[in-house]
Amino acid sequence: SQTIHQWPATLVQPVGSPLSLECTVEGTSNPNLYWYRQAAGRGLQLLFYSVGIGQISSEVPQNLSASRPQDRQFILSSKKLLLSDSGFYLCAWTSPEGMSGNTIYFGEGSWLTVV
Amino acid sequence: GESVGLHLPTLSVQEGDNSIINCAYSNSASDYFIWYKQESGKGPQFIIDIRSNMDKRQGQRVTVLLNKTVKHLSLQIAATQPGDSAVYFCAERKDYKLSFGAGTTVTVRA
Repeated sequence: SQTIHQWPATLVQPVGSPLSLECTVEGTSNPNLYWYRQAAGRGLQLLFYSVGIGQISSEVPQNLSASRPQDRQFILSSKKLLLSDSGFYLCAWTSPEGMSGNTIYFGEGSWLTVV
Repeated sequence: GESVGLHLPTLSVQEGDNSIINCAYSNSASDYFIWYKQESGKGPQFIIDIRSNMDKRQGQRVTVLLNKTVKHLSLQIAATQPGDSAVYFCAERKDYKLSFGAGTTVTVRA
């Protein structure tokens, strides 16, 4: 069966420090991968998605970036964190067919607090 | 911005009663809809989905209804249990993108 791992689960970072959140998927090949952010009491905002290695689409302008160095690895990064980057970050995947009828499955999330 | 919204941010329901959670969406081109349940501090958990060529789908204790005429989606939970307390999100999918509403917090009263 497929599983998704996301880490770290929680972190507290000072303003201006770098960020790296990692996500890996097991049990599938060539998945579509996603990064979402959820502010407290809000819905999920799509940040990035990737349909293949080296293929990254950004949904919103921000000081975050994403990379996909391997087929089943998706990394969310920042060179300098802002206070507004605080939130709950979720990695997700869907099957490579990726179109209607295939749901998206989420990891357990990473809580980021920028102080 | 978000294209999917929920009618009510909170819902309080007596244990054993049926719950109905509503959602309005705006993108008529969306062809797939999903309900998720999110417990505190965890990632969203898939509940049930429905394609746009359907108007009803049933799962275990849950039913999703889709009314494309008025762009309305609902989730019905039968015999609500304390473990159903969570935030519920509807989402619409178009191609690779899944867009979420703000969520409805369901509280089950004993």
